[in-house]
Amino acid sequence: NAGVTQTPKFQVLKTGQSMTLQCAQDMNHEYMSWYRQDPGMGLRLIHYSVGAGITDQGEVPNGYNVSRSTTEDFPLRLLSAAPSQTSVYFCASSYYAAQETQYFGPGTRLLVL
Amino acid sequence: DQQVKQNSPSLSVQEGRISILNCDYTNSMFDYFLWYKKYPAEGPTFLISISSIKDKNEDGRFTVFLNKSAKHLSLHIVPSQPGDSAVYFCAGQNQGGKLIFGQGTELSVKP
Repeated sequence: NAGVTQTPKFQVLKTGQSMTLQCAQDMNHEYMSWYRQDPGMGLRLIHYSVGAGITDQGEVPNGYNVSRSTTEDFPLRLLSAAPSQTSVYFCASSYYAAQETQYFGPGTRLLVL
Repeated sequence: DQQVKQNSPSLSVQEGRISILNCDYTNSMFDYFLWYKKYPAEGPTFLISISSIKDKNEDGRFTVFLNKSAKHLSLHIVPSQPGDSAVYFCAGQNQGGKLIFGQGTELSVKP
């Protein structure tokens, strides 16, 4: 099993550009989520999904879109990048929403100029 | 509104001694509390958890204590090893499965 994979590892964007951060898992997990990590802020939940076709907002959803067309994939879209979205993004998954153990991907470091 | 707080950004201990990492919370509705460990350039990995109905959970060198009346939990690592050097995040989990993380504490264990 590859676990949770994220691509790209690192990306530089200009303000206003759009891009999609990819996340995939091969563990047949129903629950997937996106976090951003900023200095002094810990990890904050952006969006999450409890299963294919179902998504919901977390703590900091503004400026981000998600979709969940398959169990395996949960892409995060930045519609119009802003410098405030410079961060490290982590995708996580677990068998179900209330399972205590979530498995995190290695992260995508994003720099918005 | 910071529901989970780790007030110590960093902690340095000597190898073999005890490391105590602290965490405070304000949300009484958390079902579980978890500790995650994170090395640089890697994603967080689950370390240990405790149910809100318990006051202690132990796993090898790691013990988590929960004081519900004080809304405080702590992670004890005994004995500390250099490989334990990492950032430790505590998190509360609500019924919907959402994790609310603290800011993290960077632990440095010196040989």
